[in-house]
Amino acid sequence: GAGVSQTPSNKVTEKGKYVELRCDPISGHTALYWYRQSLGQGPEFLIYFQGTGAADDSGLPNDRFFAVRPEGSVSTLKIQRTERGDSAVYLCASSPPGDSNQPQHFGDGTRLSIL
Amino acid sequence: RKEVEQDPGPFNVPEGATVAFNCTYSNSASQSFFWYRQDCRKEPKLLMSVYSSGNEDGRFTAQLNRASQYISLLIRDSKLSDSATYLCVVTTASGTYKYIFGTGTRLKVLA
Repeated sequence: GAGVSQTPSNKVTEKGKYVELRCDPISGHTALYWYRQSLGQGPEFLIYFQGTGAADDSGLPNDRFFAVRPEGSVSTLKIQRTERGDSAVYLCASSPPGDSNQPQHFGDGTRLSIL
Repeated sequence: RKEVEQDPGPFNVPEGATVAFNCTYSNSASQSFFWYRQDCRKEPKLLMSVYSSGNEDGRFTAQLNRASQYISLLIRDSKLSDSATYLCVVTTASGTYKYIFGTGTRLKVLA
């Protein structure tokens, strides 16, 4: 079946621009997560959605970062006034309803490069 | 101190060798534990969940030691295709089930 889909695969933009990254989770998965992975590091948590609401946004680094999931399926991560330090791979994951033992399934990620 | 710590490696081992990775975590209330595998420039993929009683999947064995707050992964009879980065993952007790990752341990299996 279809896995988690992320678009675009790669995004190159100039410092100061606005970017949107899209995630389409596995059908039926109510939980959706965004992570960010820098070179040589493990992914770091950004935000978690349960349905349409952001249940935990404690990992967003500052107010330039925002994410939505208006219909409880597709999510968009939005970054305003991008900075070179925002360059990273942005990973989306989803998991089915249930307890913490439900593993998360990751998309291929969006590789964001800020020039 | 990081919440989840791993030796970044690289571990270079010959084909057929047995290799073990450890991972320590700082939050004693951590609930669930996983090992993920990540190939270069690819997404993390679940290798196995880690259960309190220990569990095995083919050549892979995972152990959890709650008292000492570490988990381990043992790979027997290493294959060239096992070359990857192995990420230790812990979930918090906060109910959001967000993953806390280690930095990953790089394994290279040599012919």
